[in-house]
Amino acid sequence: EAGVTQFPSHSVIEKGQTVTLRCDPISGHDNLYWYRRVMGKEIKFLLHFVKESKQDESGMPNNRFLAERTGGTYSTLKVQPAELEDSGVYFCASSQELAGVEQYFGPGTRLTVT
Amino acid sequence: TQLLEQSPQFLSIQEGENLTVYCNSSSVFSSLQWYRQEPGEGPVLLVTVVTGGEVKKLKRLTFQFGDARKDSSLHITAAQPGDTGLYLCAGNEASGTYKYIFGTGTRLKVLA
Repeated sequence: EAGVTQFPSHSVIEKGQTVTLRCDPISGHDNLYWYRRVMGKEIKFLLHFVKESKQDESGMPNNRFLAERTGGTYSTLKVQPAELEDSGVYFCASSQELAGVEQYFGPGTRLTVT
Repeated sequence: TQLLEQSPQFLSIQEGENLTVYCNSSSVFSSLQWYRQEPGEGPVLLVTVVTGGEVKKLKRLTFQFGDARKDSSLHITAAQPGDTGLYLCAGNEASGTYKYIFGTGTRLKVLA
């Protein structure tokens, strides 16, 4: 069974540009989560999808971040316009319906904003 | 905001030694997970504990959830170089959501 995949693995952009990160969850997992770790800090929750619906987006830092999950399969996280403090590693995780306790993480996308 | 503090932050030991990593909070969690992360990869789930006082064993790793579900420990017996990595605990707030609060991490290095 394929795990959670994320694309790209690395992205380097300039301040003010736009970047879109993609996450493909484990097949059959209705729950999808985005987390990020900024330099020197712990991993922090961004938001949670159940299928295509946003269940909890309390961790989204501001309105420059937009997450979507059209069709309830893969998800995208767009940052527009990117700022220096957005640099970090963005992780996606997924879990089965009604079993959200066990979340399985992707390898992450390392975003560097210069 | 709930905070999960892990100790120690860094640990360097010789192969064959035992070690314990602690994960502490002042808040109650409905469940807690332990992960290991290696450079360039995402956290890999090791175990989930959900009941206060629960003990789970995974080969040489023993995980315990505190009776009050505020803390947890990971004990490794006879550590091996392959155990090297970043160990993370993550707690699920007792709020009915699946939002995990991550610990600060313990970076373990086991020397051959």
